[in-house]
Amino acid sequence: SQTIHQWPATLVQPVGSPLSLECTVEGTSNPNLYWYRQAAGRGLQLLFYSVGIGQISSEVPQNLSASRPQDRQFILSSKKLLLSDSGFYLCAWSVRQDQETQYFGPGTRLLVL
Amino acid sequence: GQNIDQPTEMTATEGAIVQINCTYQTSGFNGLFWYQQHAGEAPTFLSYNVLDGLEEKGRFSSFLSRSKGYSYLLLKELQMKDSASYLCAVREGPYGTDKLIFGTGTRLQVFP
Repeated sequence: SQTIHQWPATLVQPVGSPLSLECTVEGTSNPNLYWYRQAAGRGLQLLFYSVGIGQISSEVPQNLSASRPQDRQFILSSKKLLLSDSGFYLCAWSVRQDQETQYFGPGTRLLVL
Repeated sequence: GQNIDQPTEMTATEGAIVQINCTYQTSGFNGLFWYQQHAGEAPTFLSYNVLDGLEEKGRFSSFLSRSKGYSYLLLKELQMKDSASYLCAVREGPYGTDKLIFGTGTRLQVFP
């Protein structure tokens, strides 16, 4: 069966510090991968999605970036965090076919102080 | 533009039935999803509709009317563990993309 992992589970970082969040998927090959952010009282916002190694699409302008160095690894990064980057970051995967469901990882709760 | 509307909060009694509505206006449509999210946890998949009509899965059912841009999630025989947020999400076209647009969610509280 497929599983998706994210780490760390929680993170407290000062403003201006760098960020690296990791997501890995097991039990499937060639998945579509996604990064979402959920801010307090707001809906899930798609940040990045990837259909393959090295292929990243950005959905919103921001100071975050994403990379996919391996088929089942998706990394979310920032060089300098802002207060507004605080939130719940969720990675998701789906089978690379049409009309497939997205499944979410456990999430990383980030607090920027 | 993209707009997905759900009620912010709802309350219900254990054992009752509750219907959570979702209306959407998107530039394309390629399916509608419902997810359940308990506080502090990740969303879990509940249901998927791409054609008009009712999809039933145990105590949960989901309905879609594409012409009206409307869906609802029906929860029967409510249990305390059903207290959670319920997220409506629309997959936009074109066919072959996999991007979901989420509503802000409906927080359901079930009381004994």
